[in-house]
Amino acid sequence: DQQVKQNSPSLSVQEGRISILNCDYTNSMFDYFLWYKKYPAEGPTFLISISSIKDKNEDGRFTVFLNKSAKHLSLHIVPSQPGDSAVYFCAASEAGTASKLTFGTGTRLQVTL
Amino acid sequence: GAGVSQSPSNKVTEKGKDVELRCDPISGHTALYWYRQSLGQGLEFLIYFQGNSAPDKSGLPSDRFSAERTGGSVSTLTIQRTQQEDSAVYLCASSLVHGSNQPQHFGDGTRLSIL
Repeated sequence: DQQVKQNSPSLSVQEGRISILNCDYTNSMFDYFLWYKKYPAEGPTFLISISSIKDKNEDGRFTVFLNKSAKHLSLHIVPSQPGDSAVYFCAASEAGTASKLTFGTGTRLQVTL
Repeated sequence: GAGVSQSPSNKVTEKGKDVELRCDPISGHTALYWYRQSLGQGLEFLIYFQGNSAPDKSGLPSDRFSAERTGGSVSTLTIQRTQQEDSAVYLCASSLVHGSNQPQHFGDGTRLSIL
């Protein structure tokens, strides 16, 4: 039972354009959502998070949007840079404090010149 | 270093052998997690330690898997009688817990290959 789904295994975007990565979830108890970026042979790196009491959180080029009614979140990267090429994982947890994360299967983003 | 440290970075062993994987969390982080990532899959939760509380072992796939955390810091994940399906990257993460949402910070993992 995949509670966090990233339906696009890959995405290619031109440098300077917007990258939009999508994530859907099924567990209505999730209330904290995170995006991680992962390069080959490295561990996931935390990018940005959002609590369920918000619908948007912005950090520099990265913005996460949360639509609770649709159980959908998205990560926007603008402008996209070649160094953003990596696998992006969406994750969610139930508790208000640190708890186990449930991850999606990832989307491989390639930013082309 | 300031990040989560895992050792070894790579481990190749024969089926049936026992393996131990080590994790040093970020200093001051009270929560420690183990995950694994099999080929082409997302990260799968294994076990979670929080302070002196009993660990959440709900993600361990079988009784061949166990983990301990000594002194509230270093953790060891042990896999007994390894099987080929245990081949994966085992990732450790740690986080602060101060009553609000805190992101988990990951090490670079141990790539385990069972021959």
